[in-house]
Amino acid sequence: AQKITQTQPGMFVQEKEAVTLDCTYDTSDQSYGLFWYKQPSSGEMIFLIYQGSYDEQNATEGRYSLNFQKARKSANLVISASQLGDSAMYFCAMRGPSGGYNKLIFGAGTRLAVHP
Amino acid sequence: EAGVTQFPSHSVIEKGQTVTLRCDPISGHDNLYWYRRVMGKEIKFLLHFVKESKQDESGMPNNRFLAERTGGTYSTLKVQPAELEDSGVYFCASSQDRDRARYTFGSGTRLTVV
Repeated sequence: AQKITQTQPGMFVQEKEAVTLDCTYDTSDQSYGLFWYKQPSSGEMIFLIYQGSYDEQNATEGRYSLNFQKARKSANLVISASQLGDSAMYFCAMRGPSGGYNKLIFGAGTRLAVHP
Repeated sequence: EAGVTQFPSHSVIEKGQTVTLRCDPISGHDNLYWYRRVMGKEIKFLLHFVKESKQDESGMPNNRFLAERTGGTYSTLKVQPAELEDSGVYFCASSQDRDRARYTFGSGTRLTVV
């Protein structure tokens, strides 16, 4: 079965510093996708970044990068130069054939607070 | 491009009543998904439509939940009768290309059953 584990219920970071949000996953699939979503207080789920299991390079999207370590089954999100607007819930998710390729499997989330 | 729209944004109903949630996907997105997050738990998949057909409804918790997608456009999720454990946030998402995995989520409907 597929599983996503986010071990940090809450994180604090100073504005302009970098922060890493942890995500580990468990799957027997060879082909799978990993996602990070942001949920601000307004409620919408905002797609941040995607990493395919066969992508050789770590995904990057602006200030977001995904530190993909396949052998360790980790897909940590790195936010560089944190901003106050980064304060939100962050969810790691995965998708793969064994879980039903249509479904995203989510972790419990990490609440990030950015302090000025 | 308009995003995924869900309404109502909040709903408070009494146990035993019926509630209908609506989702308008992004125009042209054939794939529509429902997810929910019950308090304190992970976001869980409910079901997936491709156009008007249910592709996968393995996440629907029980037969009190009924989802429809009329003409492959908007979708409704009806809970009848609602129970206390149905409280949570119900998200809808849509995508145009499943392989690219670019799901766009709505803001969710917060359902409270009292």
